[in-house]
Amino acid sequence: DAKTTQPPSMDCAEGRAANLPCNHSTISGNEYVYWYRQIHSQGPQYIIHGLKNNETNEMASLIITEDRKSSTLILPHATLRDTAVYYCIVSPSNFGNEKLTFGTGTRLTIIP
Amino acid sequence: EAGVVQSPRYKIIEKKQPVAFWCNPISGHNTLYWYLQNLGQGPELLIRYENEEAVDDSQLPKDRFSAERLKGVDSTLKIQPAELGDSAVYLCASRGTGPNTGELFFGEGSRLTVL
Repeated sequence: DAKTTQPPSMDCAEGRAANLPCNHSTISGNEYVYWYRQIHSQGPQYIIHGLKNNETNEMASLIITEDRKSSTLILPHATLRDTAVYYCIVSPSNFGNEKLTFGTGTRLTIIP
Repeated sequence: EAGVVQSPRYKIIEKKQPVAFWCNPISGHNTLYWYLQNLGQGPELLIRYENEEAVDDSQLPKDRFSAERLKGVDSTLKIQPAELGDSAVYLCASRGTGPNTGELFFGEGSRLTVL
């Protein structure tokens, strides 16, 4: 599985867009980019995933570069409840054999 | 719809004692995972089940850890005997089939403290 690199921590002002970068320069053609987050004392929560096109859902947007070597998770209007550790994961599309390998993630703190 | 349910939420035991954690996945989810999360680290896979079959247990320390999912629904993870280094959060997750099957649903975890 490809490895990912994320900044250990970031701050963002409440109400602003939070942009969380992820580098996955060794990603292979069939690997998806997944984002999960983990709020304190809870289990990880799925946010979004994509292969090569940009994706948007009710929680966030995922922007994947054309060469697929990096991506950015965007929380458009951050709230205090978005304070969490955010994990960027790459995983093969063959769900029958996949396992999600978590790194240490980015600790995002939303500042009032 | 109920989420993944784990119990107990917290457990404190002395070293060398046994401990067991229980997980009830989302109804209809055939794939079940047990993850271990140490403080400040991301979750690490211990074992993955497809129905009642353990299809990936390569990271499970089999000398003291065991797991079962007898009827392909709920699952139990056991540690016997527990060591100080086993203090961690044990997370259970499940995944369904069909569209968007990449999403794992996690429980709140069971926090183990070994004294």
